Amino acid sequence: EAQVTQNPRYLITVTGKKLTVTCSQNMNHEYMSWYRQDPGLGLRQIYYSMNVEVTDKGDVPEGYKVSRKEKRNFPLILESPSPNQTSLYFCASSWTGPPYNEQFFGPGTRLTVL
Amino acid sequence: DQQVKQNSPSLSVQEGRISILNCDYTNSMFDYFLWYKKYPAEGPTFLISISSIKDKNEDGRFTVFLNKSAKHLSLHIVPSQPGDSAVYFCAARVLNTDKLIFGTGTRLQVFP
Repeated sequence: EAQVTQNPRYLITVTGKKLTVTCSQNMNHEYMSWYRQDPGLGLRQIYYSMNVEVTDKGDVPEGYKVSRKEKRNFPLILESPSPNQTSLYFCASSWTGPPYNEQFFGPGTRLTVL
Repeated sequence: DQQVKQNSPSLSVQEGRISILNCDYTNSMFDYFLWYKKYPAEGPTFLISISSIKDKNEDGRFTVFLNKSAKHLSLHIVPSQPGDSAVYFCAARVLNTDKLIFGTGTRLQVFP
């Protein structure tokens, strides 16, 4: 089954404690991206990757890092999380960048930073 | 400064009628515009896109219109169905990048 998986699905952590949210896709897609969703602010793109070892900043990259060492994985790293990073995070993959023919999203990771 | 705006936070439409969702942008350096749909507790779904060199793109019940002079785009859903009830986001791609700027979303409710 074609899918994008994210782990963990829920995470409560404390300010400053480094964390990683993993994202994996099994469709051999070249393009992957991370978004966050916040009430009143909608969706915002954090980072995207066009292929292995190729990443670029989205609209709100501050406080986040990503890496793309393998095509299937695109982890989101918060080196020193802060409460303003409390959000719902989505990973997505597709064959190309926008505009897409199709884009697959993960189920989301709800992060709370205390 | 919000470059992509969806000024209507919600819209209610009767089943079978047309739903029109609007989006305005302030930056001319966008080359593609996209619409996403999102149900609660699910990831977004990419719906339809339009190039900045076009003024209309249609896919089944969904049509996106682009008015470049007004910096305005709209998504028409005809006929509206209860399953269309969701939050709709417009997004704009920054020219020659894959960077997307999203609007804040419009919640569409289609009632019987």
